[in-house]
Amino acid sequence: GAVVSQHPSRVICKSGTSVKIECRSLDFQATTMFWYRQFPKKSLMLMATSNEGSKATYEQGVEKDKFLINHASLTLSTLTVTSAHPEDSSFYICSARDSGQARDEQFFGPGTRLTVL
Amino acid sequence: EDQVTQSPEALRLQEGESSSLNCSYTVSGLRGLFWYRQDPGKGPEFLFTLYSAGEEKEKERLKATLTKKESFLHITAPKPEDSATYLCAVTYTGNQFYFGTGTSLTVIP
Repeated sequence: GAVVSQHPSRVICKSGTSVKIECRSLDFQATTMFWYRQFPKKSLMLMATSNEGSKATYEQGVEKDKFLINHASLTLSTLTVTSAHPEDSSFYICSARDSGQARDEQFFGPGTRLTVL
Repeated sequence: EDQVTQSPEALRLQEGESSSLNCSYTVSGLRGLFWYRQDPGKGPEFLFTLYSAGEEKEKERLKATLTKKESFLHITAPKPEDSATYLCAVTYTGNQFYFGTGTSLTVIP
């Protein structure tokens, strides 16, 4: 149980294009999902908290107009990197909390490696 | 100010050589502490949740313990497949997780 998927696992795009990353909870419902960014040999940096049916909450320093988050259902959140630039290249990981459990664990997806040329 | 500090940064063990990883946190009011394992190029895999001082959790060769200021992840008789980065995270609200920078463990056959 508690499986989270991400798609795509890898994406290479040209500078100036937009890229959408999907995060799905496969066997549980998730009112809250989280988007992280991880740099090589560094820990996870929380970008935003995604809430089903409402606006995402962004961390300080994260541009909400650049990183668009939509949480349209209890099992799907999407992150769109708009007008991507090489500095946006990174490993993006989502996580989800099981709404049906009174527990705080976050279950992580496998990550998406974004390379912007 | 860092919320979570993990040590050592890297650890090399011979197969069968037991050791411990440390995770210390600086702020009071801990709601939960979490251990994850992360393999290169993958997302973190959940291992344990600890909620109160004195609590212990075990899974195969791993055992996690919690005090009021730190947590230890004990690895007993490790095998090469235990090689990974082990991440510790804390939460005070239940939502935001503060992650440490991890301990990179290498177990040599």
